[in-house]
Amino acid sequence: SQQGEEDPQALSIQEGENATMNCSYKTSINNLQWYRQNSGRGLVHLILIRSNEREKHSGRLRVTLDTSKKSSSLLITASRAADTASYFCATAGNSGNTPLVFGKGTRLSVIA
Amino acid sequence: ETGVTQTPRHLVMGMTNKKSLKCEQHLGHNAMYWYKQSAKKPLELMFVYNFKEQTENNSVPSRFSPECPNSSHLFLHLHTLQPEDSALYLCASSQTTGVPDHTQYFGPGTRLTVL
Repeated sequence: SQQGEEDPQALSIQEGENATMNCSYKTSINNLQWYRQNSGRGLVHLILIRSNEREKHSGRLRVTLDTSKKSSSLLITASRAADTASYFCATAGNSGNTPLVFGKGTRLSVIA
Repeated sequence: ETGVTQTPRHLVMGMTNKKSLKCEQHLGHNAMYWYKQSAKKPLELMFVYNFKEQTENNSVPSRFSPECPNSSHLFLHLHTLQPEDSALYLCASSQTTGVPDHTQYFGPGTRLTVL
């Protein structure tokens, strides 16, 4: 399975601090995506990084990908209370019809 | 709003009831998905439809029956459910299934409780 595994399972930080979440996977991928989910709601796509990319930025988000280690990290800088949510990585295989595989997620709590 | 709506948002049903979940996407996508999300478990893919054809059935019990009448609508018919089927059921859509870098757009989910 190419399932992503996020680490840590839960993270609690103060507002203004940076939050780093990690994702590891098992097989080769076409791309890796990060999603966010507010409690009891649907997932929202944050950012996609392709297997030939090493780093990508979007606003306060920074994603890195290390295909040699089969791992990715999501960094949220200058966190806000509104960033409190669960964050999931999802991997897409090289075969076009392979569905996304989601990890269990990291629950981030940002305390004001 | 992501352009994907789900109804109802909450559903409580007995084990002998029959109910249906509805999903509608307004994004012009051709692929639609049902996921099950239980506490402390990874998101579980249930069914995938691409251009109205089912392309994935992830060993889902027959008490869950999907229906995709067109590319914009997806239903999940429920009957004779078990308490362990209580979960958040999420619908998603994407442009198609054939390209790996398409992202998925999720609805808000239906919180299902089976008594």
